[in-house]
Amino acid sequence: QVQLQESGPGLVKPSQTLSLTCSVSDASINIANFYWNWIRQHPTKGLEWIGYIHHTGANYYNPALKSRVTTGMDPSKNQFSLQLTSVTAADTAVYYCARAPPCGGSSCYAFDLWGQGILVTVSS
Amino acid sequence: DIQMTQSPSPLSASVGDRITITCRASQFINNYLNWYQLKPGQAPKLLIYSTSTLQSGVPSRFSGSGSGTDYTLTINSLQPEDFGTYYCQQTYSDVTFGGGTKVEIK
Repeated sequence: QVQLQESGPGLVKPSQTLSLTCSVSDASINIANFYWNWIRQHPTKGLEWIGYIHHTGANYYNPALKSRVTTGMDPSKNQFSLQLTSVTAADTAVYYCARAPPCGGSSCYAFDLWGQGILVTVSS
Repeated sequence: DIQMTQSPSPLSASVGDRITITCRASQFINNYLNWYQLKPGQAPKLLIYSTSTLQSGVPSRFSGSGSGTDYTLTINSLQPEDFGTYYCQQTYSDVTFGGGTKVEIK
C-alpha cells in the first residue's frame, strides 16, 4: 500500500528557508505518471495548494507563492522535497504532501493519497 | 484566481441525518470539482472527484452533484465516523479550496 510521509524541522526562524521532504513507500515516484504535490493548512484556516513536481522534472506553483517555492525529486531515495524561502509567521501551517494521478476528463489534481502532515512553526 | 465559497459552516447534525454541503465557485469550473474529508491527526481523504465520481473505497452514502458554478456534497445517513471537516477543491484553473465545513455532533 502506497504511503507518503512528511519530514523536516518543526521550527524555522523568520527569514530562513523551510525545507521539507516527502518519502514515498511501495511505489516509485520516477516511473508512474503522477504529480507530487505540497499543500498546507494554516491554523484555523483552510487549505492552500503550494505546487507540484512531476517525474519528468516539470513543476508548477501557486502564483501567490511562486517567487519563494522550489520543489525537487530524489528518485534514488524515492523522495520529493519542498523549499520555501524568506518565511514569516504567515507561513506557520501544517504541511502535507500528496499524490495526484494524471489528468483525464474533468479530473485533474485530485489528491488521492496524502501524508499525515507536519506542523511547521515560524518563530524566533 | 477562482474563489470557492462553502456553506454552511459549521454544520450540526445527528447520526442518521442526511446532510448537504454546498460549494459555489466565483466563475465557471466545468465540473473540475473534488471533495475531501479532514480529521485531526489523520491523512486527508479524497471522497469524490470530477463532481460526482466516488473515490475507490468511499462508502456509497457519499454523493456529489452540480454544474457550472454550484456543487454539492451529500451524505445520506450520517455515521459517527463522518464527523470532521469537508473541503471542496476546484482544479479548472490552478487549484483552490473552499473554506471548509466542519460537521459537528448535535
